[in-house]
Amino acid sequence: DTAVSQTPKYLVTQMGNDKSIKCEQNLGHDTMYWYKQDSKKFLKIMFSYNNKELIINETVPNRFSPKSPDKAHLNLHINSLELGDSAVYFCASSQGPFSPLHFGNGTRLTVT
Amino acid sequence: EDQVTQSPEALRLQEGESSSLNCSYTVSGLRGLFWYRQDPGKGPEFLFTLYSAGEEKEKERLKATLTKKESFLHITAPKPEDSATYLCAVQASGSNYQLIWGAGTKLIIKP
Repeated sequence: DTAVSQTPKYLVTQMGNDKSIKCEQNLGHDTMYWYKQDSKKFLKIMFSYNNKELIINETVPNRFSPKSPDKAHLNLHINSLELGDSAVYFCASSQGPFSPLHFGNGTRLTVT
Repeated sequence: EDQVTQSPEALRLQEGESSSLNCSYTVSGLRGLFWYRQDPGKGPEFLFTLYSAGEEKEKERLKATLTKKESFLHITAPKPEDSATYLCAVQASGSNYQLIWGAGTKLIIKP
């Protein structure tokens, strides 16, 4: 059973399009995250939700909007995609904000 | 400014050749330091959490240690399956829950 699953694994799209990435966790965790990993492998936090409430909202363009319909899901919607949005996006969850993270296997987004 | 630096960027070892990876940090106060392993095409996988200087944690061929300025991940008699990128992350006190990540050390173990 996959603990944190995100879809799709690969996403190739053109500039200006709108796309979504879905994430689901079956660990019963209260906190979920979206991270961006750039070509240099740095992980940067984008958003965090605790019990469906936004607790971290880093400085990302407002073209990125997270949505948490329930505790087990945190989706990421991206409007008007740009070349610089190309990266690997990871969803993660944890028992609480100070607990270890469990990551999904990432979505490789390529904007052409 | 809170910062995490990992060294070396890459490390090639022969199977059985022990070594250490370094994670140095500067934060106003340490809540916890985390080690993760990341395989190509996968998400990071949690290894250890260390909370205070002098603490040590072990798992198979890996041992993590912590001082007030840095953490080491010691790898004893590594095998090819230990090849991966090892990431260090620090959670500072009063950090609004955020983790500060290092860029990782890519470890290659040759048979």
